[in-house]
Amino acid sequence: DAGITQSPRHKVTETGTPVTLRCHQTENHRYMYWYRQDPGHGLRLIHYSYGVKDTDKGEVSDGYSVSRSKTEDFLLTLESATSSQTSVYFCAISGEAGGPRETQYFGPGTRLLVL
Amino acid sequence: QKEVEQDPGPLSVPEGAIVSLNCTYSNSAFQYFMWYRQYSRKGPELLMYTYSSGNKEDGRFTAQVDKSSKYISLFIRDSQPSDSATYLCAMSIQRNDYKLSFGAGTTVTVRA
Repeated sequence: DAGITQSPRHKVTETGTPVTLRCHQTENHRYMYWYRQDPGHGLRLIHYSYGVKDTDKGEVSDGYSVSRSKTEDFLLTLESATSSQTSVYFCAISGEAGGPRETQYFGPGTRLLVL
Repeated sequence: QKEVEQDPGPLSVPEGAIVSLNCTYSNSAFQYFMWYRQYSRKGPELLMYTYSSGNKEDGRFTAQVDKSSKYISLFIRDSQPSDSATYLCAMSIQRNDYKLSFGAGTTVTVRA
């Protein structure tokens, strides 16, 4: 999984609680992404980062926030979890020096269940 | 209408058969095309990457792009049980574009 780890790998939480997912990379890649994957929808971009403290919204960002204080870590926070946020969350990285940004490499995923 | 359409399958073939997968898209600005393979409960892994129209071959895998028809294909020759996975197509407009548009994926089972 291209030097990417995600934690936790599985989480069950209750509606209304905050949840933070962590993505850690050892590749020193500049760009990091958070996606969610749901049946019938494929992968949808939540937020992405183009550098330390530089982040922007993707297509499904409502209810999510992110932070990146170090190159290697990208955090995704569900501010107040809802059942519609039950999903599998993937972190991805790209931007190896001299490489095309669009070749993204994915982590192993976090399965989140919101009850 | 989704920007990228992909038949979800499932597709079941006998070992040794040719697997044919495809995606159609609506945005003629797409120029970079990728195929990802995703095993059950794993993250997607990049399989093939092509630019513009034409064919690209890598071992048993061949990717084809027909921009005039807005249609891309992935062929797997001499399929093996280890090829059983979900295959996702993805595409982007610019070379250095963070935004990838993904198909929903086709699930393939290769029967031994």
